[in-house]
Amino acid sequence: GAVVSQHPSRVICKSGTSVKIECRSLDFQATTMFWYRQFPKKSLMLMATSNEGSKATYEQGVEKDKFLINHASLTLSTLTVTSAHPEDSSFYICSARKDRGRDTEAFFGQGTRLTVV
Amino acid sequence: EDQVTQSPEALRLQEGESSSLNCSYTVSGLRGLFWYRQDPGKGPEFLFTLYSAGEEKEKERLKATLTKKESFLHITAPKPEDSATYLCAVPVGTYKYIFGTGTRLKVLA
Repeated sequence: GAVVSQHPSRVICKSGTSVKIECRSLDFQATTMFWYRQFPKKSLMLMATSNEGSKATYEQGVEKDKFLINHASLTLSTLTVTSAHPEDSSFYICSARKDRGRDTEAFFGQGTRLTVV
Repeated sequence: EDQVTQSPEALRLQEGESSSLNCSYTVSGLRGLFWYRQDPGKGPEFLFTLYSAGEEKEKERLKATLTKKESFLHITAPKPEDSATYLCAVPVGTYKYIFGTGTRLKVLA
């Protein structure tokens, strides 16, 4: 299957600082990538859809100014958590869709565990 | 409203004890149903895509089936390494996926 690489896998930061998470599609081009947040023992919650060369589309209730998304190329999207607070601590996962004829499969990164202290 | 519901929430099986996980969906115009496996602290790993009622797909001890209202993930003679959370998802709109809450499977040796 296709490979999506997410970095870092874990990060600890102080309150008030910003953290950048990278998501790369290693063996295919992804015009669209997705950012999810997952709470313990809960399912994935879509935060935003990242579109190459244009602004991201945020889900209702997600603060655009806090979660900055940049999709600078067909293989890279970044999520920056700005002015992080302890309540931003969570597991963040990116995903990229690969179109293969009728099949369109979403492949996920390894996830990033963010802890804000 | 588009919705995906999984049951049971958690399942404990003895090694070799076969069972099934359920994913019920309510979406208009199903364009595929996806099954993923997620290990703790990891991103979801793609397992299967099903597109039409009656379709079945198999991979090792797993078999996924689809009806017009639900999908089942059958696990035959599971092993401890099959322990994970299993998620199903359906696409809605242009790109968005709706995920179920998952079934946490624990297989005991």
